[in-house]
Amino acid sequence: DADVTQTPRNRITKTGKRIMLECSQTKGHDRMYWYRQDPGLGLRLIYYSFDVKDINKGEISDGYSVSRQAQAKFSLSLESAIPNQTALYFCATSDPGLAGGVDTQYFGPGTRLTVL
Amino acid sequence: GIQVEQSPPDLILQEGANSTLRCNFSDSVNNLQWFHQNPWGQLINLFYIPSGTKQNGRLSATTVATERYSLLYISSSQTTDSGVYFCAVGRSGNTPLVFGKGTRLSVIA
Repeated sequence: DADVTQTPRNRITKTGKRIMLECSQTKGHDRMYWYRQDPGLGLRLIYYSFDVKDINKGEISDGYSVSRQAQAKFSLSLESAIPNQTALYFCATSDPGLAGGVDTQYFGPGTRLTVL
Repeated sequence: GIQVEQSPPDLILQEGANSTLRCNFSDSVNNLQWFHQNPWGQLINLFYIPSGTKQNGRLSATTVATERYSLLYISSSQTTDSGVYFCAVGRSGNTPLVFGKGTRLSVIA
């Protein structure tokens, strides 16, 4: 089984709808991240969480919210989806405390979201 | 914030050729990682290399932190090396990574 899973893998929705993307991990990592990838722009950070009680905004948090329900689960919500939120969304985890200070990030398979 | 520039943006190689990808960054870092995104979108961590040199098979990476750049070497390239290579940096262990825009590599048989 994959260590970092994302659901759904693909989603088509309409403008104005509320959407939730979910991320689960079995790696036991404290740190979790949500990124967005647009063609030619690399990955941009939306939100990150260093533990269950910690939530931080990233570079492009407007229009998004997150919930860290447990160490293993980190959900991203689009309260009212708009077409320019069409993108590939990635969840990632890391834990330098488990890896001798090495903060390597591990990515989920991604969710392709299309907002019509 | 910290800026990350990768070059070249695109690279086409014949199978068996060698290549060097570059990552320049604008400030001191203590976290630098290289990732490969395959044609199916999966992102795989290649190296955690805030300084020094590491090798893993046909791939190696060198980071010269004092001069604010890192290099990823791919030797004897194969078609399976195709995809996008990203460099990402962080100032400290408690600041998130900033990604470059990537180098798109196409290896043709």
